Amino acid sequence: DAGVTQSPTHLIKTRGQHVTLRCSPISGHKSVSWYQQVLGQGPQFIFQYYEKEERGRGNFPDRFSARQFPNYSSELNVNALLLGDSALYLCASSFRIQGQDSGNTIYFGEGSWLTVV
Amino acid sequence: GNSVTQMEGPVTLSEEAFLTINCTYTATGYPSLFWYVQYPGEGLQLLLKATKADDKGSNKGFEATYRKETTSFHLEKGSVQVSDSAVYFCALTAQKLVFGQGTRLTINP
Repeated sequence: DAGVTQSPTHLIKTRGQHVTLRCSPISGHKSVSWYQQVLGQGPQFIFQYYEKEERGRGNFPDRFSARQFPNYSSELNVNALLLGDSALYLCASSFRIQGQDSGNTIYFGEGSWLTVV
Repeated sequence: GNSVTQMEGPVTLSEEAFLTINCTYTATGYPSLFWYVQYPGEGLQLLLKATKADDKGSNKGFEATYRKETTSFHLEKGSVQVSDSAVYFCALTAQKLVFGQGTRLTINP
C-alpha cells in the first residue's frame, strides 16, 4: 500500500510568489495535517483537516491556507512568499482526528522542500 | 501551553556505545508521548510511543518510559549502530503533535 505522498518534492520560488503543495493520505485515512519544518528545528503545526473541515490551525499568518477534497487529499497554499517561508513542509495522515486518542497512529510523508529566493 | 524540550545536539558516539537522549515535556492533561526519527532527506517515521504513565515504548532496540512524576520520556539504546545516525524528535499530542527541536545523532564506526 502507498504511504502518504506529497508533491512536488522540491521547488524554488521567488519572494512574493504563490505556491501550492499537494498531499495524498494513506487510503482510508480521513485526517490530514500540515507541518512546517525550518532547517534545524522541529516541525510546527499549521493546519488539520478532517472530513473536509478545518479542525485546527496553528500560529501562522493568513497567507497560509489549506483545503481538503472529497477524496481526502489536501492542498496547502502560501501567498506572498517570504524568505522565511523556506522550509520542509510535511503532510501527516491518520484515520481519525489527530491528537484525540492514543491508538490513532499518525504517518508522515517525505515532505516538500520549498526554497524562496 | 504544551511544549517539549530535548537535549541539545549534536550527539556523536562510537558504534556499540550506550545512547540516552533526554526529553521533558509540559502539558495539561495526560498526553501521549512519541519519538520520531528523520533519516537524511526523508520525512518523519514513528519510532515508538507511550500512551500513559509508566508505559514503556520500544522498537528496534530503542526504549523510552513515560515518567509522569518527572515529566520525562528519555530515549535509550544499549548498543548503537552506524545506521542509527539520524535526527530524533520527541513529541506529544494535545490535539496536534507538538515537537521538540530535534537531536542530531551521528554514530562513528
